[in-house]
Amino acid sequence: AQTVTQSQPEMSVQEAETVTLSCTYDTSESDYYLFWYKQPPSRQMILVIRQEAYKQQNATENRFSVNFQKAAKSFSLKISDSQLGDAAMYFCAYRTAQGGSEKLVFGKGTKLTVNP
Amino acid sequence: DTGVSQNPRHKITKRGQNVTFRCDPISEHNRLYWYRQTLGQGPEFLTYFQNEAQLEKSRLLSDRFSAERPKGSFSTLEIQRTEQGDSAMYLCASSPGDRDNQPQHFGDGTRLSIL
Repeated sequence: AQTVTQSQPEMSVQEAETVTLSCTYDTSESDYYLFWYKQPPSRQMILVIRQEAYKQQNATENRFSVNFQKAAKSFSLKISDSQLGDAAMYFCAYRTAQGGSEKLVFGKGTKLTVNP
Repeated sequence: DTGVSQNPRHKITKRGQNVTFRCDPISEHNRLYWYRQTLGQGPEFLTYFQNEAQLEKSRLLSDRFSAERPKGSFSTLEIQRTEQGDSAMYLCASSPGDRDNQPQHFGDGTRLSIL
């Protein structure tokens, strides 16, 4: 079974600075999808960025980018120019691209605090 | 696009009672998912529907849990004979289903508290 590990329970960053959140995963599959979701306090989870495993190019969405290292099974999220609104729980998630399974496998999350 | 709607937002009940949650997906989204999230953990997959068909179920979904999506629109999740361990946030998500790797859009969740 696939597992996702987020080794940083909490992280903090100064406003306007850059922070990187770590995620590793374990799978024997070659084709899959990876996601970062953001869950603000008492608010719904929203997708931040996604990556297809077959793509070598790292995904980027405005201030958010990933460092996808397939061989190392690593998928870190970099947030540039951090803003107060970035404060939230961040979850890394995996989904297979094989066999029609739609389930997302989530890590335990990293709580990001942004200091003014 | 009004988003995924879940009701109620919070449910408090005594152990042994039955509870039912409702999820209204984004309009025209064919796929609907249920997840459970306990404190300090990421969401755990429970089940998934493509239209009215329940295509995937987790082993977490014991025989006390049942989910339906009778007309391929809204879905209900029922828990019978609730136990303390059922206390959690129950999240619903939906996705279009017309292409692969469409993102799942989550609702605000229903928080279940068992007394």
